[in-house]
Amino acid sequence: DAGITQSPRYKITETGRQVTLMCHQTWSHSYMFWYRQDLGHGLRLIYYSAAADITDKGEVPDGYVVSRSKTENFPLTLESATRSQTSVYFCASSESGIGTGAYEQYFGPGTRLTVT
Amino acid sequence: GQQVMQIPQYQHVQEGEDFTTYCNSSTTLSNIQWYKQRPGGHPVFLIQLVKSGEVKKQKRLTFQFGEAKKNSSLHITATQTTDVGTYFCAGLTLNYGGSQGNLIFGKGTKLSVKP
Repeated sequence: DAGITQSPRYKITETGRQVTLMCHQTWSHSYMFWYRQDLGHGLRLIYYSAAADITDKGEVPDGYVVSRSKTENFPLTLESATRSQTSVYFCASSESGIGTGAYEQYFGPGTRLTVT
Repeated sequence: GQQVMQIPQYQHVQEGEDFTTYCNSSTTLSNIQWYKQRPGGHPVFLIQLVKSGEVKKQKRLTFQFGEAKKNSSLHITATQTTDVGTYFCAGLTLNYGGSQGNLIFGKGTKLSVKP
């Protein structure tokens, strides 16, 4: 049971480049989330998706794009990377959505992104 | 906007001592979740509290949800080195219809345990 995986685990890119972080889950969870984790800020929600083809902004969406053509995949794209986007990115999924009961989130192992 | 404050930011304890982290919300919460993140790892769900005044226990961990549903705490009795990590609370507020909401994470309390 692979659960939820992220790739790459580490990435170094240059300012201005486009980079895509991948997230894949095998549970068929409806909801998927992208967070960034920075020292002093905890976990901040970037985008989330309630189902395939349904996405919505979180707390810090600027500079990011998401898509969800299949339930199991939820890629996050940085269109033109900036140094301020250096962070650890976590993908998460949950069986239920907010307002529908238990919605504990299962987090992937994270991607450590450095923008130079 | 809605905020979830968590204190302390850091806590250093001697093995065997107790540890408590507190979570306070600026608004009434529908429920609250707690997660643990080991160093270099990812957050792992611990528990969810829903009812006003609810208390739940997991071995040496005791979780409480305040009567007003605006605060919560996690208490660890007799810490062990395996308790090392960052503990996050995440508070949920729902809209009037209960169909949508915001889950806001606190910034976490980083616990270190000296053997």
